[in-house]
Amino acid sequence: DAGVTQSPTHLIKTRGQQVTLRCSPKSGHDTVSWYQQALGQGPQFIFQYYEEEERQRGNFPDRFSGHQFPNYSSELNVNALLLGDSALYLCASSFPSGGGTEAFFGQGTRLTVV
Amino acid sequence: AQSVSQHNHHVILSEAASLELGCNYSYGGTVNLFWYVQYPGQHLQLLLKYFSGDPLVKGIKGFEAEFIKSKFSFNLRKPSVQWSDTAEYFCALNYGGATNKLIFGTGTLLAVQP
Repeated sequence: DAGVTQSPTHLIKTRGQQVTLRCSPKSGHDTVSWYQQALGQGPQFIFQYYEEEERQRGNFPDRFSGHQFPNYSSELNVNALLLGDSALYLCASSFPSGGGTEAFFGQGTRLTVV
Repeated sequence: AQSVSQHNHHVILSEAASLELGCNYSYGGTVNLFWYVQYPGQHLQLLLKYFSGDPLVKGIKGFEAEFIKSKFSFNLRKPSVQWSDTAEYFCALNYGGATNKLIFGTGTLLAVQP
């Protein structure tokens, strides 16, 4: 049973560019959350998708947007990249939807903005 | 605002030593509490979780944690650490409801010396 898979694993982009990160949830999971983990910090919640809608959003600017597809996979898009966007981006999936459930994490995408 | 504090940023222990990592949170309502571990080069994995019931919870690999509501604490313990426990440990909470958005602490880097 495949766990949460993310692609690509590493990415280097230039300031001002746009990036798309992808996530396939664990089989049977319907909810996908995205987190940003800066160096030396804990993961910070970006947003969560359920039933193809953004259900909750953390304290991130509108440059960060997402999408969930009918097969529950998800994309994270970041526009107008800043040096400060360099981080590990984590995807987490869960089922059934709701607060009392465990989130399973992917290995992340390491984004470097130069 | 809800937050999680981990006061030990770096801990160095010798094998067979006992471990206790502190975690305190701020939130007045009902919370679900988690400890995640991130081994070098691997994804975040759940060590243990507390939703309700017995405040002493046991997780994988001999870890346990005690929820003390009056102290807003959820400290992680292990009686005898091994070199393979070298990793970064994150305490996290969510507060139920419609989402399982996790709020993480900044993490504790544990190095176990053989």
